[in-house]
Amino acid sequence: DQQVKQNSPSLSVQEGRISILNCDYTNSMFDYFLWYKKYPAEGPTFLISISSIKDKNEDGRFTVFLNKSAKHLSLHIVPSQPGDSAVYFCAASASGGTSYGKLTFGQGTILTVHP
Amino acid sequence: DGGITQSPKYLFRKEGQNVTLSCEQNLNHDAMYWYRQDPGQGLRLIYYSQIVNDFQKGDIAEGYSVSREKKESFPLTVTSAQKNPTAFYLCASSFRRGGGNQPQHFGDGTRLSIL
Repeated sequence: DQQVKQNSPSLSVQEGRISILNCDYTNSMFDYFLWYKKYPAEGPTFLISISSIKDKNEDGRFTVFLNKSAKHLSLHIVPSQPGDSAVYFCAASASGGTSYGKLTFGQGTILTVHP
Repeated sequence: DGGITQSPKYLFRKEGQNVTLSCEQNLNHDAMYWYRQDPGQGLRLIYYSQIVNDFQKGDIAEGYSVSREKKESFPLTVTSAQKNPTAFYLCASSFRRGGGNQPQHFGDGTRLSIL
């Protein structure tokens, strides 16, 4: 049962344009969402997060949008740069209870930014 | 510099042997986690520990064991009972506060290959 899904295995964009990565979840108990960036043979690097009490969080070129009713979140990168080329994972957690601090990850989306 | 150190980066073992992967952190984080990544898949949780001398099974704990005798260390043993141990193993840590809604920070991983 895939509770966090990234339905696009890959995305290709031109440098300077916007990259939009999407993520859907099924567990209504999730209340904290994160995006990670990963290069080959390295560990994921935390990018940005959002709590379920918000619908938008911005950090520089990265903005995460949360639509709770649709159980959908997206990561916008603008402008996209070649150095952004990596695998992007979304993750979710539910606070409290036995799931305390436990992250559930999507399958990842490979972003390629062309010069 | 504070961070998470996983060693070794590459590990080769014969089938039927147990092998232990090291994870050390100097971030003063309370919680530590082990994930496994297979090609084309997201990260799957093996074990996690919220405090010293306590740990819980994740989604794919069969064939693995852990210990948490020190706050800084969370070694993972891949036993001979693990049917398909060849994978990329990632260790992470986080603070234990805010209802569990804290980003996890990752090491650079250990790639285990069974010969």
